[in-house]
Amino acid sequence: ETGVTQTPRHLVMGMTNKKSLKCEQHLGHNAMYWYKQSAKKPLELMFVYSLEERVENNSVPSRFSPECPNSSHLFLHLHTLQPEDSALYLCASSQDSGGAIDTQYFGPGTRLTVL
Amino acid sequence: AQSVAQPEDQVNVAEGNPLTVKCTYSVSGNPYLFWYVQYPNRGLQFLLKYITGDNLVKGSYGFEAEFNKSQTSFHLKKPSALVSDSALYFCAVRDFGTGRRALTFGSGTRLQVQP
Repeated sequence: ETGVTQTPRHLVMGMTNKKSLKCEQHLGHNAMYWYKQSAKKPLELMFVYSLEERVENNSVPSRFSPECPNSSHLFLHLHTLQPEDSALYLCASSQDSGGAIDTQYFGPGTRLTVL
Repeated sequence: AQSVAQPEDQVNVAEGNPLTVKCTYSVSGNPYLFWYVQYPNRGLQFLLKYITGDNLVKGSYGFEAEFNKSQTSFHLKKPSALVSDSALYFCAVRDFGTGRRALTFGSGTRLQVQP
């Protein structure tokens, strides 16, 4: 496997629930990413963290709130989601060398279903 | 803006035959190109990347890809397909000139290798 783990692997939640997705990378990288993969749509970048600072935020609704407490961990806090938010949420990490091309390595994803 | 097109939703090939999965890209600066593979209920696995140098890039599992600047293409190839190659393949591009770390992914091509 790639050294990026995600928990839980599956999550079912109601629209009024609050839950969190967790990602952990064991590769010594300093950049982490959240992507959303919906059926029949390309992967959508949600957030990018480099050295624990958010460096990109792609117009994601505020019901998704990321947190990066250190370079190995990334969370996605969820609240008052909509059924259309049901998707596979993928975490990735890379070594950001300030311009050098860094390959992103992905975790297995969390399959989220919003009822 | 950077974009990627994978014109085929699905490619069918017989085991032992050569396979090609097509990808074209659009960037304003220099392209950095990637191929990933996704097996059912799994995250994306890195196959290969083109940064600079030789236009023919070799990657994991016997795959290779050819960068063609004039045609803005980066097609994935394998001389002899295996049933186990059946999966979803994604092409991705990063425009180094923008300074963005994010990859832009194509919509994916499902490869079906028949025994």
